Amino acid sequence: DIQMTQSPASLSASLGETVTIECLASEDIYSNLAWYQQKPGKSPQLLIYDASSLQDGVPSRFSGSESGTQYSLEINSLQSEDAATYFCQQHHDYPNTFGAGTKLELK
Amino acid sequence: EVKLVESGGGLVQPGRSLKLSCAASGFSFNDYWMGWVRQAPGKGLEWIGEINQDSSTINYTPSLKDKFTISRDNAQNTLYLQMSKLGSEDTAIYYCARSDTYYGYNYPDYWGQGVMVTVSS
Repeated sequence: DIQMTQSPASLSASLGETVTIECLASEDIYSNLAWYQQKPGKSPQLLIYDASSLQDGVPSRFSGSESGTQYSLEINSLQSEDAATYFCQQHHDYPNTFGAGTKLELK
Repeated sequence: EVKLVESGGGLVQPGRSLKLSCAASGFSFNDYWMGWVRQAPGKGLEWIGEINQDSSTINYTPSLKDKFTISRDNAQNTLYLQMSKLGSEDTAIYYCARSDTYYGYNYPDYWGQGVMVTVSS
């Protein structure tokens, strides 16, 4: 199985700041990576697919990028509603696998 | 509006079976791959598997392949997850998800609200 190592496990940031969450794939996944946001008690919501394509309706302050097997989610100008847990998922090979998640807290 | 509504969860004894359903609406169900993902309490997401439009291809995570069976009824716009030999490790919220496809690779784009399954005596 492809392992997705996500970091950090948690982070705390202030309103208006920029944060970056990373996922390292154990092998090449050819940009087949999605990012999800999950708020407490809710189901995950798709933010990014194909590593950097923004899902319809998602604010442009969310962006995705890649460098080799390292994938990043950047959130600019943090808003209070961005407090959530974020997961990456590789969908290049079966079984699809998720990162362990990053809990983002707003100060 | 895409809507996915899971049902069939609850408390089940170890070793027993349970079948979850997911009623889909707001899109052409038979045009999409569909799948299941679960989340143990306070834990991360685990991909269970997915099924293609005409049920000719079903992919599972290997550790669950012998316990879980995914199926669908396109006439009823419903996805199913049959679970057998349940153990405490199967206690989780089970999510139904629609998959979009990008250059041949599927990824969940819409998720249901989830249904809780608790395995306990």
